[in-house]
Amino acid sequence: EPEVTQTPSHQVTQMGQEVILRCVPISNHLYFYWYRQILGQKVEFLVSFYNNEISEKSEIFDDQFSVERPDGSNFTLKIRSTKLEDSAMYFCASSGLGSGANVLTFGAGSRLTVL
Amino acid sequence: EDKVVQSPLSLVVHEGDTVTLNCSYEVTNFRSLLWYKQEKKAPTFLFMLTSSGIEKKSGRLSSILDKKELFSILNITATQTGDSAIYLCAVGGSNTGKLIFGQGTTLQVKP
Repeated sequence: EPEVTQTPSHQVTQMGQEVILRCVPISNHLYFYWYRQILGQKVEFLVSFYNNEISEKSEIFDDQFSVERPDGSNFTLKIRSTKLEDSAMYFCASSGLGSGANVLTFGAGSRLTVL
Repeated sequence: EDKVVQSPLSLVVHEGDTVTLNCSYEVTNFRSLLWYKQEKKAPTFLFMLTSSGIEKKSGRLSSILDKKELFSILNITATQTGDSAIYLCAVGGSNTGKLIFGQGTTLQVKP
């Protein structure tokens, strides 16, 4: 069964460092997303991406965050200068078109720990 | 502000019991309600509901949506230890695929 793959599974970084989280969405999906889940809290929407541009972003997704689809398969989330409160599990997801657009397939997540 | 509220937050049952998980929502431009199961990895898709009163079933799991009262339930019959997980309810309120999640219900099924 097709799946969304994420790397790394766990990253530890120092405050102020840049991190890049990588995702390979399902190959025939056209919508890509990043969500995050701070320990003990809800899964929160960060950003959606379609046709090589951001289609929607949340208030959390400020200038410290950026997304990119550098080639035909990868979808990345960059945090420029990490803060302690960026520590969370980051989920990448993808979906198809039409009625399937809301059925997101999630990756296993990248746990980011900022020290 | 859009919100999704699940109850109970946690539940402990024994194998063979039937459980009902609840999800209520207040979302502008409702498009769909989804249930996901989250174990120690990716949330996995269970159901998508768009119409009121039509039950979706998959084995021992079933779900129904009430768009008038703005809630959904997820039923699990004859529970098994493998059903132990966090069950997430999420509502889609835009055409960009953005989902608004509830807090989740942690279900523990004891042998």
